[in-house]
Amino acid sequence: EVKLVESGGGLVKTGGSLRLSCAASGFNFNIYNMNWVRQAPGKGLEWVSFISGGSTYIYYADSVKGRLTISRDNAQNSLYLQMNGLRAEDTAVYYCARDRVEYGGTPSQFDYWGQGTLVTVSS
Amino acid sequence: DIQMTQSASSLSASVGDRVTITCQASQDIGTYLNWYQQKPGKAPKLLIYAASNLETGVPSRFSGSGSGTDFSFTISSLQPEDFAEYYCQQYDDLPPTFGGGTKVEMK
Repeated sequence: EVKLVESGGGLVKTGGSLRLSCAASGFNFNIYNMNWVRQAPGKGLEWVSFISGGSTYIYYADSVKGRLTISRDNAQNSLYLQMNGLRAEDTAVYYCARDRVEYGGTPSQFDYWGQGTLVTVSS
Repeated sequence: DIQMTQSASSLSASVGDRVTITCQASQDIGTYLNWYQQKPGKAPKLLIYAASNLETGVPSRFSGSGSGTDFSFTISSLQPEDFAEYYCQQYDDLPPTFGGGTKVEMK
């Protein structure tokens, strides 16, 4: 069974940092591309970042470029999102999502999602 | 960025109704279009990928169609468990973008 479990969310002050983790199980993690997608309270979905299976390709939304950094540790079956310089507008539930297409170089179809972890940025 | 516009932010329907949601892309995206269902407090669930392909395990009352800039998502006979929010998402170009969502509510 494919399982994605996020952790690391919480309350942080404006300008602060947080590191989110996503523990993956039930599939061959190192061949699947992964994404972070967020959802502000009461709002729609916003794609945040993508990383290919071997970390060759990495992309970010313009709204987070230079502040958020995606990475992965295939030996640990884990995905990460290092969040620096946090702003109020980063307040959201952050989901990790598996990309349905193996070995592709860009985000495509998000077939499995974690339960999400809430990040709240407040002054 | 490619803008995805869902025709309605909400709609009211009854169990057994046929429900159709439309999604328009700001430019031609071929069939690089997915549909997701999201229930309150839960993660989104992929229902339809590449415009018209039913994800494994998803009931056949769900379907999708379209290409280019105009897409539709249909529930042939609405069931109680289908009251939820639905999102379209394009992946033709970076960044992948979602529609604003359509909430299907009970009439």
